[in-house]
This record gives sequence, C-alpha cells and structure tokens, in this order.
Amino acid sequence: GAVVSQHPSWVICKSGTSVKIECRSLDFQATTMFWYRQFPKQSLMLMATSNEGSKATYEQGVEKDKFLINHASLTLSTLTVTSAHPEDSSFYICSASMARGLAKNIQYFGAGTRLSVL
Amino acid sequence: AQSVTQLGSHVSVSEGALVLLRCNYSSSVPPYLFWYVQYPNQGLQLLLKYTSAATLVKGINGFEAEFKKSETSFHLTKPSAHMSDAAEYFCAVSPGGYNKLIFGAGTRLAVHP
Repeated sequence: GAVVSQHPSWVICKSGTSVKIECRSLDFQATTMFWYRQFPKQSLMLMATSNEGSKATYEQGVEKDKFLINHASLTLSTLTVTSAHPEDSSFYICSASMARGLAKNIQYFGAGTRLSVL
Repeated sequence: AQSVTQLGSHVSVSEGALVLLRCNYSSSVPPYLFWYVQYPNQGLQLLLKYTSAATLVKGINGFEAEFKKSETSFHLTKPSAHMSDAAEYFCAVSPGGYNKLIFGAGTRLAVHP
C-alpha cells in the first residue's frame, strides 16, 4: 500500500518551454502533497506543500510563478515548470501523505522526475 | 530551528560487517524521526520511523535505529551489511510530527566484497 506514482521519469525540453510533472497517489487519498528538488549528490530541498483544493505554500526563495503547483484532487498534484531554463535542470521528487489512519503524516515518495533543459 | 546532521557523507563497509550511519537532530518540540533510502535515479523509500513510541525502532531490510533523547541522536544500524544495501541514506526530522520533513545531507553507503 501507499504507492505514489510520478510521471514522467525523465524529460528533456528546450529552453523556454513549459514542462508538467504529475504525482499520483495510487491507493490512498493524499490530503497533502509535497514537491522537492534535489541537486546531484545533495539532499532534498522542499519547494512547496500543497493541500487538496487550496493554494500551495511555497518555501522561501522558490518562485511561485515559475513553479506552478496544482492539487485539484485527493490523488493528483502537478508541478509545472514554466519557461524552463538550463538552471532548472534537476531531479524533482514528489511525496504524499494522508491526514488520518496509522500512516498519518508519513510521507510516501514518488520515483522522481529528471528534468534536463537544453 | 530544526535541523538534521548526518556525520559522514560517505561510509564504506565490508559485506557482512556492521553498518552504522549517524544522525543527530535539533528540534524545539518532540520530533518524529525517519530514515529513508534512495537508490540511484529513484525516489525515497521509508526504512523506519520513530513517532514517540518505542525508542528502538525496527525497519525493513534488517535495519533498526534507536532514539536517544539525551544525545539527540537517531543512528541507523544493521548487524550485517549486504551488497544490496549500497545506496544513499537520508535522516529526516518532522518537528512535532507535523508533516513537514527536514532532511539531512545524506550518507552514501558503499559495501565492498
């Protein structure tokens, strides 16, 4: 149980284009989803927290107009990197947690999306 | 402020040897603590968690960790390393158990024959 699917696993795009990454909780309702960014050989940096049906809360230094997050349902959140540039190239990982039950507040992670901007 | 310090960015052990990965935390409220493992180009998999119950926590793949409040530590151990344990390990703290995770810098475990 508690499976999180992230798609695509790898995307290459041209500079200036937008890229959408999907994060789905397959077997549970995710009241909260998180988006992280990971640079090579570094730890995960939280970008934003999103609750279903409300606006995402962004961490300090993260451009909300650059990284659009939508959490339209209890099983789907999307991250759109708008007007991507080479410096946006990174590994993006989502996680999801549920509000109740034994697994309350435990984060379950997707497999990540590697974004390469040319 | 809450933080996590993982001592040793790289740890190398022989197959069959004890694995010890160190984690110290700082939290102004009772913390929840986690260990995650990450294999190359993959997301994070939960190994084990401490959520204010038993201080010795057993996880998957033979790993365990002990919460020591006096030392503000949550070190990860495994009695006998296996080649498949080679990966990146992250310790994380959730202050008060309120969802948000703060990660340590990670420790890369290498296991050699």
